[in-house]
Amino acid sequence: GAGVSQSPSNKVTEKGKDVELRCDPISGHTALYWYRQSLGQGLEFLIYFQGNSAPDKSGLPSDRFSAERTGGSVSTLTIQRTQQEDSAVYLCASSLVFGEQYFGPGTRLTVT
Amino acid sequence: QKEVEQNSGPLSVPEGAIASLNCTYSDRVSQSFFWYRQYSGKSPELIMSIYSNGDKEDGRFTAQLNKASQYVSLLIRDSQPSDSATYLCAVLEDSGYALNFGKGTSLLVTP
Repeated sequence: GAGVSQSPSNKVTEKGKDVELRCDPISGHTALYWYRQSLGQGLEFLIYFQGNSAPDKSGLPSDRFSAERTGGSVSTLTIQRTQQEDSAVYLCASSLVFGEQYFGPGTRLTVT
Repeated sequence: QKEVEQNSGPLSVPEGAIASLNCTYSDRVSQSFFWYRQYSGKSPELIMSIYSNGDKEDGRFTAQLNKASQYVSLLIRDSQPSDSATYLCAVLEDSGYALNFGKGTSLLVTP
């Protein structure tokens, strides 16, 4: 079946602009996660959604980051007033079983 | 800060040999462990999960867990050049949903 999809695959933006990144999880997966992977760094947990429950935002690095999940399916990660340190690959994952997370192809964000 | 440590490598093994990848973690109460493979420029792909002490085999892959030593490893038998990738160890955090990843070990299988 179809895996996790993300769009866009690449995004180049100017410092100070807002960006939106989209994730479409595997059908039937109730849990959705956002991570980011910076060059030379490990994967960093950002946010977790379970069904229609309130998300765990504890990993978001600043209040410029926000995310929502509509109808328990598609999720959007928004970064306001982008900074150069936001440049990274943003990865979305979904799961049925905790821990067994399946990742999408990622969005490579470059802030110039 | 709970740590997941891996040797960055590169670990170089000849084709057909056994590759042994190691990972240690700091949180003694961790219960769930995962290995992901990440090819250059691609996203992580789940290859193994392990929850109990001992060995778990899946094809050419064997995961080994020793909770007393806070150590988890991945063995790849009959290594192939297509196994060349970065292998990420991940530990399920206390939250029960977030994964704490190591920085990965780069594996190079030479023909």
